[in-house]
Amino acid sequence: KAGVTQTPRYLIKTRGQQVTLSCSPISGHRSVSWYQQTPGQGLQFLFEYFSETQRNKGNFPGRFSGRQFSNSRSEMNVSTLELGDSALYLCASSLSEHEQYFGPGTRLTVT
Amino acid sequence: GDSVTQMEGPVTLSEEAFLTINCTYTATGYPSLFWYVQYPGEGLQLLLKATKADDKGSNKGFEATYRKETTSFHLEKGSVQVSDSAVYFCALLTGANNLFFGTGTRLTVIP
Repeated sequence: KAGVTQTPRYLIKTRGQQVTLSCSPISGHRSVSWYQQTPGQGLQFLFEYFSETQRNKGNFPGRFSGRQFSNSRSEMNVSTLELGDSALYLCASSLSEHEQYFGPGTRLTVT
Repeated sequence: GDSVTQMEGPVTLSEEAFLTINCTYTATGYPSLFWYVQYPGEGLQLLLKATKADDKGSNKGFEATYRKETTSFHLEKGSVQVSDSAVYFCALLTGANNLFFGTGTRLTVIP
């Protein structure tokens, strides 16, 4: 079974731009969660989508948004990028509420 | 609120040494507990889990026991290898499907 895939793997953007990241979950998994990983703040939960609905949300500003499609693929969008948004963005999919399987991440650099 | 406190490190061990990485948690309710491992340039891999008190999770020679009385989930391995060099994250999952992570412990094993 294929794992969680994320595209692109690397991205460089300029302050003020917006960016869209994509995540394809493991086949059959309906829950997709997004996390931000930075050296200063560690791993922080952004949001979770289940059956195309946002089910949980972390403590991030409204510039961070996401959506999920009927095939469970998910995208997250960050608008008006700031230098502090530079991070590794990880997507995880799960079948149940006990195990989350992570993708390789998208490394975003904002200059 | 829910949180995880993890031994900071870095930890440097010689090959075949005994490993312990301490993890304690604070949670409302009855969380599931996890250890994830992150190799350089990669996402997170689930190493082991425990879903209720006194459960022992184990995988690849690593073990951790869910201790409700001490709110701990310490990671142990009897004999580490160079290939175990990575960053290890302790995490908990409560009712909402989002993981709370510790700060991570970098392990380096030298031959």
